Amino acid sequence: DGGITQSPKYLFRKEGQNVTLSCEQNLNHDAMYWYRQDPGQGLRLIYYSQIVNDFQKGDIAEGYSVSREKKESFPLTVTSAQKNPTAFYLCASSSGAHEQFFGPGTRLTVL
Amino acid sequence: SQELEQSPQSLIVQEGKNLTINCTSSKTLYGLYWYKQKYGEGLIFLMMLQKGGEEKSHEKITAKLDEKKQQSSLHITASQPSHAGIYLCGADTMNSGGYQKVTFGIGTKLQVIP
Repeated sequence: DGGITQSPKYLFRKEGQNVTLSCEQNLNHDAMYWYRQDPGQGLRLIYYSQIVNDFQKGDIAEGYSVSREKKESFPLTVTSAQKNPTAFYLCASSSGAHEQFFGPGTRLTVL
Repeated sequence: SQELEQSPQSLIVQEGKNLTINCTSSKTLYGLYWYKQKYGEGLIFLMMLQKGGEEKSHEKITAKLDEKKQQSSLHITASQPSHAGIYLCGADTMNSGGYQKVTFGIGTKLQVIP
């Protein structure tokens, strides 16, 4: 079945560590997105990519990095520079200017 | 920048009752999306509205975009426990780089009591 997968579902990070969240889609979508969701703040855009080998900063890119080497994959790295990384992370993809389809999310907790 | 305000922020209804959730924009809406989210899960796409006055339905959920395209409403008829969750609206915006992105509201938490 077509869809978006994210892994892991739960992730624990020690202070000072970098961690990478995986996002894979088999919908043949050109665009992919990373959001962060915090209670009371809704979804905030971290990074997005319209095509392979290209990506743009969203509203809260500081402390995060991404790559888009393949159309199907858009991994997000949460670096040690991100001071408050505990949140629910959602990946999405879309075909042009159409609705976005979301993955199941990864909950990151800093120990 | 575009801001979306959803009301109410939370809602508790008895099973079988009708309810309405509103999404109001500070700017004209060119594309308005409704999503549903269960706690700890991803968003599920419900409907997209683009034209003023447009109305769409899916099962017992109806969404409408007003004529002025600055407010959308989501109406659930005869609510069921399966309707419980968080409903989010999202609006198309264009950033300075010419790319389309979506701005989301905070969401409305719906609880349906049997």
